[in-house]
Amino acid sequence: KQEVTQIPAALSVPEGENLVLNCSFTDSAIYNLQWFRQDPGKGLTSLLLIQSSQREQTSGRLNASLDKSSGRSTLYIAASQPGDSATYLCACISSGSARQLTFGSGTQLTVLP
Amino acid sequence: KAGVTQTPRYLIKTRGQQVTLSCSPISGHRSVSWYQQTPGQGLQFLFEYFSETQRNKGNFPGRFSGRQFSNSRSEMNVSTLELGDSALYLCASSLGLAATTDTQYFGPGTRLTVL
Repeated sequence: KQEVTQIPAALSVPEGENLVLNCSFTDSAIYNLQWFRQDPGKGLTSLLLIQSSQREQTSGRLNASLDKSSGRSTLYIAASQPGDSATYLCACISSGSARQLTFGSGTQLTVLP
Repeated sequence: KAGVTQTPRYLIKTRGQQVTLSCSPISGHRSVSWYQQTPGQGLQFLFEYFSETQRNKGNFPGRFSGRQFSNSRSEMNVSTLELGDSALYLCASSLGLAATTDTQYFGPGTRLTVL
């Protein structure tokens, strides 16, 4: 059974800092891995999807990497802004679980002005 | 293009009642998945529908059921509500084709409170 872990659970950084969020998964047989952000009381916003054959994806100030062999993904946020404050979730679809996304518990990010 | 919409946004029910939640996917998307989010358990998969058929199911009791209509809109029903069913219920839509490239887009959720 796939398990996804995100460490740390919470992170606070000053504005302008570059930061890395970590995600690890136990079963490397995945179709893809997605990063989402969730604002308080809201739904999830898809940030990046990395296919199993890819090593990284970029969108603006965001860069996500995937290392299937070690069961890890990272989300790099450049030049952080207060508007980046949210909970960041990673989730993967495992090849043995059809289309079910298995989520980590998230990292709550606070960017201080 | 309109995003995923969910109605109602908030619901208050009492134990023993039943509830129906609705989800309208992005136009052209044929897959709708439902998730339950609670502070203790995080996000957990309920089920997925594709072309009016349940294609995948999570580990929830039979009180949780769903269906999908020919226009891809989906409903989720919870019968005999329990206090532990209080949660944010999220639906996600996708094209539902290749799993490798299938990005799931989430709605704003329905906040269910069971008293």
